Amino acid sequence: EVQLVESGGGLEQPGGSLRLSCAASGFAFSSYSLNWVRQAPGKGLEWVAYISSGRSTIYYADSVKGRFTISRDNAKNSLYLQMNSLRDEDTAVYYCARNRNYAMDVWGQGTTVTVSS
Amino acid sequence: EIVLTQSPGTLSLSPGERATLSCRASQSVSNTYLAWYQQKPGQAPRLLIYGASSRATGTPDRFSGSGSGTDFTLTISRLEPEDFAVYYCQQYGDSLWTFGQGTKVEIK
Repeated sequence: EVQLVESGGGLEQPGGSLRLSCAASGFAFSSYSLNWVRQAPGKGLEWVAYISSGRSTIYYADSVKGRFTISRDNAKNSLYLQMNSLRDEDTAVYYCARNRNYAMDVWGQGTTVTVSS
Repeated sequence: EIVLTQSPGTLSLSPGERATLSCRASQSVSNTYLAWYQQKPGQAPRLLIYGASSRATGTPDRFSGSGSGTDFTLTISRLEPEDFAVYYCQQYGDSLWTFGQGTKVEIK
């Protein structure tokens, strides 16, 4: 079964850091580019970051540029999101999603990040 | 950045009726880069349509996508009880992806 499973969410204070992980199974992980997408409580979807299959191409949304870092370990079938200088507005459910044909065809169940003092 | 505007915000329909959802882009979008998703409460989004009109694996044929340039449409030919959800369009361009704000299809 093709699956993505996120972990690492939690409660963090403004200015703090968190590292999210996404474990993949059931497909050739190293052949696919991946994204992080978030959804604030009661709001719509917001794309956060993209990484190509070989890590050569990385893109970020302006809202997280300079604070978040996307990375991957193809040997471990894992995707990561290092989140620094967290703000209240980073509070959201964070999803990892597989890229295919410029769309996101497989999604994890999400991990919740809450930024609050 | 290309902005996607979805309309209406909420669509109130009965099972069996036809649903027509609109997604308008602030600049022209290649059909290749336009997708539609369905999201139910407490669940992750699910890809329905990619390339503006191609159904993703497992998408029932009552769902169809159409359009080009700046105007795209998702049509559900006959609403089933499981189709009541929020629908998002999404585009890729200029090294970033953007989503519309969503259309909620609710039971009338």
